[in-house]
Amino acid sequence: GAGVSQTPSNKVTEKGKYVELRCDPISGHTALYWYRQSLGQGPEFLIYFQGTGAADDSGLPNDRFFAVRPEGSVSTLKIQRTERGDSAVYLCASSPRPGPPVSPLHFGNGTRLTVT
Amino acid sequence: KNEVEQSPQNLTAQEGEFITINCSYSVGISALHWLQQHPGGGIVSLFMLSSGKKKHGRLIATINIQEKHSSLHITASHPRDSAVYICAVSLRGTGTASKLTFGTGTRLQVTL
Repeated sequence: GAGVSQTPSNKVTEKGKYVELRCDPISGHTALYWYRQSLGQGPEFLIYFQGTGAADDSGLPNDRFFAVRPEGSVSTLKIQRTERGDSAVYLCASSPRPGPPVSPLHFGNGTRLTVT
Repeated sequence: KNEVEQSPQNLTAQEGEFITINCSYSVGISALHWLQQHPGGGIVSLFMLSSGKKKHGRLIATINIQEKHSSLHITASHPRDSAVYICAVSLRGTGTASKLTFGTGTRLQVTL
């Protein structure tokens, strides 16, 4: 009966390294969203999954960012050749359905990524 | 110009005060959300509304669709209400009604 789970909660990596961030949504939620929140800012949309497919990836900043959801449940956000500007809190959210009608999003606690 | 604007950016209140946080948006929406974010913590959904008014405990959210404006009110504020309050909208016609566009948040500090 847990909520959205994100691991790790904190990740420190060196510039140029590859990282993977994991999101385990609420069981049965078909829609999954990734957002990025920089310090002092509101979250920004990255990508949205409906089931296994990425229905909208318009928020991914460049081709270093990629996300998968192979079985329609757990999702992994992958960042290649990390840069210091990638440092942010990466938030995952899920909802029972994508809408319409709109359904509330359930957020995880986020992964704080620091690129040194 | 951001599609979602909040005011004030920062707010300090004494315990017991009535608090109002405002949100204006410039686009067509299917719903507006009020969210709460504690330091170091995740985001909790407080309200989702598309018309009128909703109340939950000491929290009240209103929306005026014609004026593209929403307010979040906290009555009898308490130090545990200290958090960042974020307004977000589901844009109409984006393919998924649950994809959100966020404001930058209002940081609320309630002191004894």
